Amino acid sequence: KAGVTQTPRYLIKTRGQQVTLSCSPISGHRSVSWYQQTPGQGLQFLFEYFSETQRNKGNFPGRFSGRQFSNSRSEMNVSTLELGDSALYLCASTRGQGDSPLHFGNGTRLTVT
Amino acid sequence: SQQGEEDPQALSIQEGENATMNCSYKTSINNLQWYRQNSGRGLVHLILIRSNEREKHSGRLRVTLDTSKKSSSLLITASRAADTASYFCATVFYNQGGKLIFGQGTELSVKP
Repeated sequence: KAGVTQTPRYLIKTRGQQVTLSCSPISGHRSVSWYQQTPGQGLQFLFEYFSETQRNKGNFPGRFSGRQFSNSRSEMNVSTLELGDSALYLCASTRGQGDSPLHFGNGTRLTVT
Repeated sequence: SQQGEEDPQALSIQEGENATMNCSYKTSINNLQWYRQNSGRGLVHLILIRSNEREKHSGRLRVTLDTSKKSSSLLITASRAADTASYFCATVFYNQGGKLIFGQGTELSVKP
């Protein structure tokens, strides 16, 4: 079974631009979660989607948004990029029911200059 | 703010020794999970322990959970150089299965 795939692997953007990151979950997984990892704040939950609906949301500004498609693939968008948005963005998928562990992709490394 | 706090922040041991990492959390949980992360890559799930369980084993891993003290520990026995990684505990609240709250992690270095 293929793992969680995130594209692109690396991204360099300029302040004020916007960016879209993509995540393809493991086949059969209906829940996709997004996390931001930085040296200062560690791993922080952004949001979770289940069957195309946002089920949980973290404490991030409205510039961070996401969506999930009918095939469970997910995208997250960050608008008006700030230097502090530089981070490793991790996507994780799970069946979404019961105590299912998360399966993570290798992340997208976003650098904002 | 982070739910879990891990101790120690960094740990350096020799191959063959045991490594113990501790995690404390603040509020009631549904389950607690441990993950490993190799540098710059995604997290790999190691073990999940439910709130009504006290101890679980998986290969060289042993996890304990003390809900009265709101703490958990991860023991890696007979460590290997390949165990070098960052280890994170993550807590899950009821009805929020996809939302994990991570600790800051323990950076483990196993020297051959």
